[in-house]
Amino acid sequence: NAGVTQTPKFQVLKTGQSMTLQCAQDMNHEYMSWYRQDPGMGLRLIHYSVGAGITDQGEVPNGYNVSRSTTEDFPLRLLSAAPSQTSVYFCASTADRLNSPLHFGNGTRLTVT
Amino acid sequence: QKEVEQDPGPLSVPEGAIVSLNCTYSNSAFQYFMWYRQYSRKGPELLMYTYSSGNKEDGRFTAQVDKSSKYISLFIRDSQPSDSATYLCAMSGGGFKTIFGAGTRLFVKA
Repeated sequence: NAGVTQTPKFQVLKTGQSMTLQCAQDMNHEYMSWYRQDPGMGLRLIHYSVGAGITDQGEVPNGYNVSRSTTEDFPLRLLSAAPSQTSVYFCASTADRLNSPLHFGNGTRLTVT
Repeated sequence: QKEVEQDPGPLSVPEGAIVSLNCTYSNSAFQYFMWYRQYSRKGPELLMYTYSSGNKEDGRFTAQVDKSSKYISLFIRDSQPSDSATYLCAMSGGGFKTIFGAGTRLFVKA
């Protein structure tokens, strides 16, 4: 049972480069979200989706784009990477916002130089 | 001011000790309270989940919520080296946005 799978595990980018962080879940969860984790800041919500074709902004959306074409996949795109986007990125999913926990992937560690 | 405040630690205790982890919050709309455990280089995993005020016990873990004081706690009894991790409190008002504390790093020494 794979759960939430994130790729790549590590990535180094140069300022201005673009890339896509991949997230896939095999639990048929409707709700998926992206968080970034920085020291002393906790997990901060970037974007979330309540189903295929529906996305919305979280707390720190600037510099990131998302789309949700299928229930399983929720990629996060960095359009023009900046050093401030150096962080650990976690994708999470849940079946029910009220009664189910968030299931997290193991993260993508991104460094922007 | 952050919506959720959590002491980052680190907290170091001997094996067998009782551990107390705490968070305070400012948003009275929060109704769902969670504790996640995160091992190094891994994603957070749910440890405890409570709704509204009160206590919940699961094995060696007890979660307490005091909504009047806007204060939540996680107690770990008979702590083990395998409990060494970062513990994140989290809360929501029932919508899709869950707010996390910064996490407390716990070390349990054998």
